[in-house]
Amino acid sequence: GQQVMQIPQYQHVQEGEDFTTYCNSSTTLSNIQWYKQRPGGHPVFLIQLVKSGEVKKQKRLTFQFGEAKKNSSLHITATQTTDVGTYFCSNSGGSNYKLTFGKGTLLTVNP
Amino acid sequence: NAGVTQTPKFQVLKTGQSMTLQCAQDMNHNSMYWYRQDPGMGLRLIYYSASEGTTDKGEVPNGYNVSRLNKREFSLRLESAAPSQTSVYFCASSASGQTYEQYFGPGTRLTVT
Repeated sequence: GQQVMQIPQYQHVQEGEDFTTYCNSSTTLSNIQWYKQRPGGHPVFLIQLVKSGEVKKQKRLTFQFGEAKKNSSLHITATQTTDVGTYFCSNSGGSNYKLTFGKGTLLTVNP
Repeated sequence: NAGVTQTPKFQVLKTGQSMTLQCAQDMNHNSMYWYRQDPGMGLRLIYYSASEGTTDKGEVPNGYNVSRLNKREFSLRLESAAPSQTSVYFCASSASGQTYEQYFGPGTRLTVT
């Protein structure tokens, strides 16, 4: 897959504040996946986006794929302590099997 | 249904020693993967197996070998461990086709001294 840049690298918020992480590419992406990894845990798949301008929601999480398919965002509304962890985006490029992961955004939440 | 299992959970090796990390999945997935995770580097693909009987190099294959023993099992071998291989190793699996959802094991924390 294509290399993607994730920003920010770290984000610390107060519980109840919103949080957004971005995944950016210089080239068009075929698809985007988002994973969450709790501290000391393993990555867990959250969602996949494939269509231009696609928006998907999971409770307080909103995922968006840009119109040009070069960027994606994950927005969490009213963060909770259970949201703590590292959020990774990935993409498959032209491969049917391999994913290339971004370096992740570490979210910490102050209760 | 255990998902993806990995053994061992922790390991300490001396430089030059060898070891094999074991991975098994019970989801009947065709594809399996080995990643390493280092601080600030995200997940980097070491090797993958698209289907039983095939293996291919990923982004960082040097110093590693793999074996796809059968559909369930995919092992990673370090022939002569080096301190640069100190890392957390994750095995993952996925169904082939248009889904890119990968299921990860709990990881092996390896330290090479």
